Amino acid sequence: ETGVTQTPRHLVMGMTNKKSLKCEQHLGHNAMYWYKQSAKKPLELMFVYSLEERVENNSVPSRFSPECPNSSHLFLHLHTLQPEDSALYLCASSQEVRSNEQFFGPGTRLTVL
Amino acid sequence: SQQGEEDPQALSIQEGENATMNCSYKTSINNLQWYRQNSGRGLVHLILIRSNEREKHSGRLRVTLDTSKKSSSLLITASRAADTASYFCATDAGTGGGNKLTFGTGTQLKVEL
Repeated sequence: ETGVTQTPRHLVMGMTNKKSLKCEQHLGHNAMYWYKQSAKKPLELMFVYSLEERVENNSVPSRFSPECPNSSHLFLHLHTLQPEDSALYLCASSQEVRSNEQFFGPGTRLTVL
Repeated sequence: SQQGEEDPQALSIQEGENATMNCSYKTSINNLQWYRQNSGRGLVHLILIRSNEREKHSGRLRVTLDTSKKSSSLLITASRAADTASYFCATDAGTGGGNKLTFGTGTQLKVEL
């Protein structure tokens, strides 16, 4: 897990709170991803960044705001979330957007009350 | 329904037995990948098979791909308790060289002593 790290590992927040999830990759990769994993549902791709530029936004509500200040760090800013947003949020990276293998972090378990 | 669907949803076997999981998908693909996820953790890439390959091996893993049936199977031989995890197939159907993986809902494998 030292390749891709995520903090915090667990987060409980109210619907009016603002919080941020952090992801850091130590692999020298150029592409980073945010996924949402809900129970009994397939992994959902949320955002894709390539060299700090967002290349895909998969129709994600604006209450989720990504930020990629450099190729090693990726944030997901959260505000005014809904209980149905409770899920495991996974960050991943790959050498390039065109690379085949993605490396995942351990995830942040988010609970929205 | 989603691009990748694993079958069965859950599988329980004894240590030493073989475990077979299947994945079906709907569209043409560039490659298909299998990932493993231990409970509440990130995904780990296991193996990738390209659309022009029919079978691939990695250690105790054997993956087959039948593009005419749009299906793949993952065989884990001589299973161990440590193989207990969820297994996901992910298809890369991206055009223009993009790497957008579409994941299935997974097969939960339990290997009992």
